[in-house]
Amino acid sequence: DGGITQSPKYLFRKEGQNVTLSCEQNLNHDAMYWYRQDPGQGLRLIYYSQIVNDFQKGDIAEGYSVSREKKESFPLTVTSAQKNPTAFYLCASTPGTGGGYEQYFGPGTRLTVT
Amino acid sequence: QKEVEQNSGPLSVPEGAIASLNCTYSDRGSQSFFWYRQYSGKSPELIMFIYSNGDKEDGRFTAQLNKASQYVSLLIRDSQPSDSATYLCAVPLNYGGATNKLIFGTGTLLAVQP
Repeated sequence: DGGITQSPKYLFRKEGQNVTLSCEQNLNHDAMYWYRQDPGQGLRLIYYSQIVNDFQKGDIAEGYSVSREKKESFPLTVTSAQKNPTAFYLCASTPGTGGGYEQYFGPGTRLTVT
Repeated sequence: QKEVEQNSGPLSVPEGAIASLNCTYSDRGSQSFFWYRQYSGKSPELIMFIYSNGDKEDGRFTAQLNKASQYVSLLIRDSQPSDSATYLCAVPLNYGGATNKLIFGTGTLLAVQP
């Protein structure tokens, strides 16, 4: 089945630890995105990548890092510098890199940091 | 001014009625518009997209676009309790440009009463 997978579904970490969230797609999509969703705040873009080995900061990139070494993979690291890391993290991909393409989402990872 | 605005709701309708969800956007150059459905605790799912002025129908869903007034709406006919979810409107930023960033509204919560 084609789709986007994110793992794990739930993740618990202690404050001060870095944590990496996985995102894999087998749709052969060019562009991939990471969003964060908090209650009442909608989706906020963290990072996005349109091509392998290249990525750009979104609106809230501070405290996060990404890599895009393979077309199908776009992992997100939440570092200890992120002040409020507890959130629902969503990965998305889109078939093209120009404007106007729809985005498809993975199932999400719910991160809780205590 | 927010780029994409939606009434947060909740919008409560009885089962079998028509639910009308609205979205306004600020960029007059926007050319494509997307509606996502998000069940509580789940990731957004694309349900409709529209590019041209007028109506686009898909089953019980109808998307309506009025570019002159800068609004897009989603009608759900014969609403069912299973339609109860948050509906997100999304508009590309810089349509036709080099990137494919989507701007999401904060969503409207729909509650269909049995």
